[in-house]
Amino acid sequence: GQNIDQPTEMTATEGAIVQINCTYQTSGFNGLFWYQQHAGEAPTFLSYNVLDGLEEKGRFSSFLSRSKGYSYLLLKELQMKDSASYLCAVRDSSASKIIFGSGTRLSIRP
Amino acid sequence: DAGVIQSPRHEVTEMGQEVTLRCKPISGHDYLFWYRQTMMRGLELLIYFNNNVPIDDSGMPEDRFSAKMPNASFSTLKIQPSEPRDSAVYFCASSPGPIAKNIQYFGAGTRLSVL
Repeated sequence: GQNIDQPTEMTATEGAIVQINCTYQTSGFNGLFWYQQHAGEAPTFLSYNVLDGLEEKGRFSSFLSRSKGYSYLLLKELQMKDSASYLCAVRDSSASKIIFGSGTRLSIRP
Repeated sequence: DAGVIQSPRHEVTEMGQEVTLRCKPISGHDYLFWYRQTMMRGLELLIYFNNNVPIDDSGMPEDRFSAKMPNASFSTLKIQPSEPRDSAVYFCASSPGPIAKNIQYFGAGTRLSVL
């Protein structure tokens, strides 16, 4: 079966660092994505990991451990505009289809 | 490129009516995906196409739902008859193909309300 778990909600302070965790159990694995979705808008691509380790892109970093079925998204120097839902998604063995987690709603307070 | 274009942006209809949602993928993208998003169930894949051919429709909830892709630049998702529980945001996404990251690009979505 397919199962992707991430916290439902998180709150953090402007300027701080926050880590959003994702664990997955899927039939096959061909990469893990993180998408950002602002309220009322479409999801937009943030990061992609297929090998173990850390991928850094500006204020955002994403980590993957395939043996543990675990990933996290790290957001640094938080800004108010980072308030959004963050969706973890895993590409299965078909290499075309991705399964989304329910998302983590991140609220940033001043 | 204009990105993935969906229409209409909002649709309000009465139970029992037919609803047709439309999508124009990014030119050159070989894959097209239809998703449904609700608070309760999150983002669910309904069906996806590769080169206009339906590949996996296991997420289509019932026979009331159907999707077509008559050519590379147009797809429709039809609900007939519609029911209140179909109320959701429906997203269309396209991707360039099974290369590298194969990122999916989403349209703005259609917010459907069935009364």
